[in-house]
Amino acid sequence: DQQVKQNSPSLSVQEGRISILNCDYTNSMFDYFLWYKKYPAEGPTFLISISSIKDKNEDGRFTVFLNKSAKHLSLHIVPSQPGDSAVYFCAASDGAGSYQLTFGKGTKLSVIP
Amino acid sequence: EADIYQTPRYLVIGTGKKITLECSQTMGHDKMYWYQQDPGMELHLIHYSYGVNSTEKGDLSSESTVSRIRTEHFPLTLESARPSHTSQYLCASSARASNTEAFFGQGTRLTVV
Repeated sequence: DQQVKQNSPSLSVQEGRISILNCDYTNSMFDYFLWYKKYPAEGPTFLISISSIKDKNEDGRFTVFLNKSAKHLSLHIVPSQPGDSAVYFCAASDGAGSYQLTFGKGTKLSVIP
Repeated sequence: EADIYQTPRYLVIGTGKKITLECSQTMGHDKMYWYQQDPGMELHLIHYSYGVNSTEKGDLSSESTVSRIRTEHFPLTLESARPSHTSQYLCASSARASNTEAFFGQGTRLTVV
């Protein structure tokens, strides 16, 4: 039973436009959410995170939005650049408990020049 | 910049061989993890450690074993490799505090023939 779901396996966006990657979760105990970026044959790189006490966190071109009532979060990349092309993983933890990260299956983003 | 290193990056080995995947971090992190990932799939936690002499199995059953004799070192061993062990193995570490990001190594791509 997947607790973190990324329902779009892939997304193509034109350079300069907005990329929106979505993530849904089912575990109400999750209170910390992260986005990672991964290139083939490399380890994931941390991008941005958000605590459940917030509904938005921004870092440069990256913004994460959290809707706790819908158990949904999204990552916005504006403007999208060709170097953003990678697989993006959503992850969640229930920090007070196991400290483990539960990952989604990832969304492959392709930014077209 | 994350300081966590995995060796080897790539390994092709015959069935029945014993292998050890190395993971070291220089950040003084108490928590360390091993994840396994197949293409197009989520990262699955197979082992974790909260500190020296602490090791626990993760959500995904694995025939591998780990040890944590030193804070900075968290090797993973397969006593007898099989083709079903072919996968990417990712090591990560994080600080003691809850709700902090995990930093990943570059991964080891293991192929058992």
